[in-house]
Amino acid sequence: AQTVTQSQPEMSVQEAETVTLSCTYDTSESNYYLFWYKQPPSRQMILVIRQEAYKQQNATENRFSVNFQKAAKSFSLKISDSQLGDTAMYFCAFMKHGTGNQFYFGTGTSLTVIP
Amino acid sequence: DTGVSQDPRHKITKRGQNVTFRCDPISEHNRLYWYRQTLGQGPEFLTYFQNEAQLEKSRLLSDRFSAERPKGSFSTLEIQRTEQGDSAMYLCASSILNTEAFFGQGTRLTVV
Repeated sequence: AQTVTQSQPEMSVQEAETVTLSCTYDTSESNYYLFWYKQPPSRQMILVIRQEAYKQQNATENRFSVNFQKAAKSFSLKISDSQLGDTAMYFCAFMKHGTGNQFYFGTGTSLTVIP
Repeated sequence: DTGVSQDPRHKITKRGQNVTFRCDPISEHNRLYWYRQTLGQGPEFLTYFQNEAQLEKSRLLSDRFSAERPKGSFSTLEIQRTEQGDSAMYLCASSILNTEAFFGQGTRLTVV
């Protein structure tokens, strides 16, 4: 079974600053994907960033980047130049290769960006 | 709005009643997924369809839960004989095969 752990239930950051959200996972699979999803208050979840486990290079999407440490089974999300619109619940998710969007999600980190 | 649509957005029901939720995926998406999200937890996968075929249902929570997608377009999730523990947000998502999944806003169920 796969487990995803997010040990920071709540975090806050000043606007324009940088924040890092932590995620660890446990799996015996060798081929998998990792994701960060954002769930704003009363809004649908949207994909922030995705990482293929076979790629050593860390994924980057504009202000969002990950630090993927496969051996340590760690997958943190860094948000640079935080904006008020980044306030949301952030979920780390794991997906086995070939299981098409059957995610295992962590419990989430509630991020508040302070003006 | 051409996103994933879920109806109703909120449902309050008495324990023991049956409830049915509807999900309309993005029109060209052939895969449709159901997840459940309880308070303080991340979403939990329940089942998914590719077109009208239900390809995975072993993670449905009990035999009180069932889902259909009869024409490969919209889907329904039914919960029979609801229990208080069924209170949760039920999320639907859709995708084109294994590409990015897009989520709806969910149906919040409260069992009283």
